Parts: sequence; C-alpha cells; structure tokens
Amino acid sequence: GNSVTQMEGPVTLSEEAFLTINCTYTATGYPSLFWYVQYPGEGLQLLLKATKADDKGSNKGFEATYRKETTSFHLEKGSVQVSDSAVYFCALSDFGQGAQKLVFGQGTRLTINP
Amino acid sequence: GAVVSQHPSWVICKSGTSVKIECRSLDFQATTMFWYRQFPKQSLMLMATSNEGSKATYEQGVEKDKFLINHASLTLSTLTVTSAHPEDSSFYICSAVRGTGGYEQYFGPGTRLTVT
Repeated sequence: GNSVTQMEGPVTLSEEAFLTINCTYTATGYPSLFWYVQYPGEGLQLLLKATKADDKGSNKGFEATYRKETTSFHLEKGSVQVSDSAVYFCALSDFGQGAQKLVFGQGTRLTINP
Repeated sequence: GAVVSQHPSWVICKSGTSVKIECRSLDFQATTMFWYRQFPKQSLMLMATSNEGSKATYEQGVEKDKFLINHASLTLSTLTVTSAHPEDSSFYICSAVRGTGGYEQYFGPGTRLTVT
C-alpha cells in the first residue's frame, strides 16, 4: 500500500538557520504530494503541493521538489523564523486508489528558537 | 475562505456513553468530508469518507457500528462514538473538500476526546 515516511523529530533550530525535513514515499501510480503545517491549536493547513515529477511547490519561503527517481519530497527553507514553529506533515494523494484520499507521514515537530 | 469548524473542541465522557462530534464547513459546501484519528506523536489515520446523502465509506479495521458518521447536509458531518471506551480516547480531526471534483482538503481544528 501507499505510505509516507518523514524524518524523526523533534527538530530544534535557531532563527535564520537552514531547514530540511526529509520525506520519502511509496506509492503505486502517480501520486500528488503535499506538505501540511499544523500550528499550535489550529487545524492542518496546506503549505505547498506538487502534482507531477520535477514540479516544485513553494509557499512562504518553503520549497519542495517532487523527485520521482528518489521517491522524495523534502521540505526546505533557507532562513527559518520563530513563527515557523509547528508540526509539519508530508502526505500523498493517489487518485487511483480512491479520489482525494490522503496518506500522511508521522509528522515532524519543528521548534525555532530566537 | 474555506473554514472548517469542529464542535466540541474537547470532551470528556464516561465509559459506555456515546458522544457526538460535529464538523461544519462555514463558508463553502462540501460534498465530501473525511474523518481522521490522530494518536499522540503519531500521524493522522483516515477513518472514513463521508459523502452527503449517502453512507460513509470506512477504512479497513474501523468499526462502522462504533463510529457512526452522518453527512446530513452539504455543510455538516457528524461522528458519533458509541459505547465509548478508554481506548477510544484520541484526537479526532475532520476535513472537507470544497464543491465537487475538488481535491484540496480543508481541515478542522480537531476534537480531543477523553473517555474515563
């Protein structure tokens, strides 16, 4: 079945540091890939997405590139801020196995210290 | 736009009782809603897909008689945990898809259920 694996957390960085959160996936077919963010006390929000190989999703300074050859969708940001502290989830949606279903990774808690 | 609310945000109930959780799309119509369960420090697990006007589709291993889902209107889906037990204690999250044919899910803030 489809699955998503994220790097273990928690991750703690200083402000302005470079961030990478690794995400790899296993899927049949051609999934779309997503990063969701969950700020404290709030629901998950879509951060960025990519729908086909080599697509780059970007939003709020975050980027992730859909790498089919390595089945990866790593999240990066060049300079993190305290406000980026949240839990980040990588997910895939395979329309071939039931439209719109999302399979999530385990989440990575990120804390940015001033 | 695309706001999803859940009520209550947290609830404590006694073992053996039932509890209902509401999921509402506040500013859009949602033909499809999803219910997830999230254990501490773990990922979201899809429980069921709720379609307006039809029976919910449950994921393998989810007891449909225990977790009753009703999607009575285009803006409301409810999850009722029947005869709750302590092992049902968890964080329940819903999401809604705007309109028909869309794929982006908008998530509610979640409901913390504690069964004593």
